[in-house]
Amino acid sequence: KNEVEQSPQNLTAQEGEFITINCSYSVGISALHWLQQHPGGGIVSLFMLSSGKKKHGRLIATINIQEKHSSLHITASHPRDSAVYICAVKDGNYKLTFGKGTLLTVNP
Amino acid sequence: GAGVSQSPRYKVAKRGQDVALRCDPISGHVSLFWYQQALGQGPEFLTYFQNEAQLDKSGLPSDRFFAERPEGSVSTLKIQRTQQEDSAVYLCASIPKPRDRTNNEQFFGPGTRLTVL
Repeated sequence: KNEVEQSPQNLTAQEGEFITINCSYSVGISALHWLQQHPGGGIVSLFMLSSGKKKHGRLIATINIQEKHSSLHITASHPRDSAVYICAVKDGNYKLTFGKGTLLTVNP
Repeated sequence: GAGVSQSPRYKVAKRGQDVALRCDPISGHVSLFWYQQALGQGPEFLTYFQNEAQLDKSGLPSDRFFAERPEGSVSTLKIQRTQQEDSAVYLCASIPKPRDRTNNEQFFGPGTRLTVL
């Protein structure tokens, strides 16, 4: 079974700061997802990537397949970015294995 | 274009009660997943349907958990004789196609928060 570790578990930042959340996994994968979960809300998919780098607005996700590591970056963070960010990996099949999530709080 | 919906959003049950949680996937989505998310944890896989066929139920924690999708659209997760350790958020997700060479994004519902007293 793939072990997915995220760091940090909790992160507090001031508005405008650059944020990095890390994810590492133990077994080779076919894809990695970054997900966002607001309190009391459902989960929204931010990125799905299997190599390289993707950018969407202020969000950037990178993955290093050889090192089994991915990072999610948020530039110019804003209080509305406050949420739990979850990394999930997909094996060659369909099943997702999730990390425990990183609780991000961005203060104004 | 409605997303994945789940009902009820919140459910409080007394220990020993049976509960039924409903998931309405996005219309036309072939694959459907159920996950269990305990407080402070990431979601954990419970079961997977392709149309009406339950292809994987390896994540169901006990035989008290049962899921069905009889017509290949709406799915119901039933928990019999609920226990306190069943308290969690139950998430449903769907994707348009069955598992294949394409890596499909999963569309998640808002979840049902189950509290067993």
